Amino acid sequence: DAGVIQSPRHEVTEMGQEVTLRCKPISGHDYLFWYRQTMMRGLELLIYFNNNVPIDDSGMPEDRFSAKMPNASFSTLKIQPSEPRDSAVYFCASSFSEGFGKLFFGSGTQLSVL
Amino acid sequence: DAKTTQPPSMDCAEGRAANLPCNHSTISGNEYVYWYRQIHSQGPQYIIHGLKNNETNEMASLIITEDRKSSTLILPHATLRDTAVYYCIVRAQTGANNLFFGTGTRLTVIP
Repeated sequence: DAGVIQSPRHEVTEMGQEVTLRCKPISGHDYLFWYRQTMMRGLELLIYFNNNVPIDDSGMPEDRFSAKMPNASFSTLKIQPSEPRDSAVYFCASSFSEGFGKLFFGSGTQLSVL
Repeated sequence: DAKTTQPPSMDCAEGRAANLPCNHSTISGNEYVYWYRQIHSQGPQYIIHGLKNNETNEMASLIITEDRKSSTLILPHATLRDTAVYYCIVRAQTGANNLFFGTGTRLTVIP
């Protein structure tokens, strides 16, 4: 398996634009997580899904952020409109329900909002 | 989940054992200790986890004290590629797999 695949690897956009980050989890995994990492706040859990259903989105910073998982092999994190403070590395991770805390992370998307 | 305390940084000579400590004095009986690491520009990587017995795998060893209030991750022969931020996380085995990362220890392996 190729692991968790995220795209794009880098994204540079201007303030006010819509940004869509994509994630393909490992096949067979039933949990999917979106994390954000900044120097100031470290790694923050934004939202996670179980069997394509959002379970906890309490980490989503505000209504400008939304996440979907239309099927078991694809998820998106959308920011609309984007702001400079959204600049960060966004990681997607997946795991088995029986994986007991063993998460597999993608390589991340480096987002820069100018 | 219980809070963990780790030193912000450590150095280790290449080829020597790297011993990374973690305090988790408020750990509950059903909480496991997990270790992850994050190499620069990469996503975090699972290393090892344990409940109360010492654990060893191909990457590292985990030593948990008898009272479970602290643990040590041991990299037996550190290489330059082990330079990374190491996170100690405590969480219950039940419930969702979501993990909360602290600030970790930045390990620098010196040639």
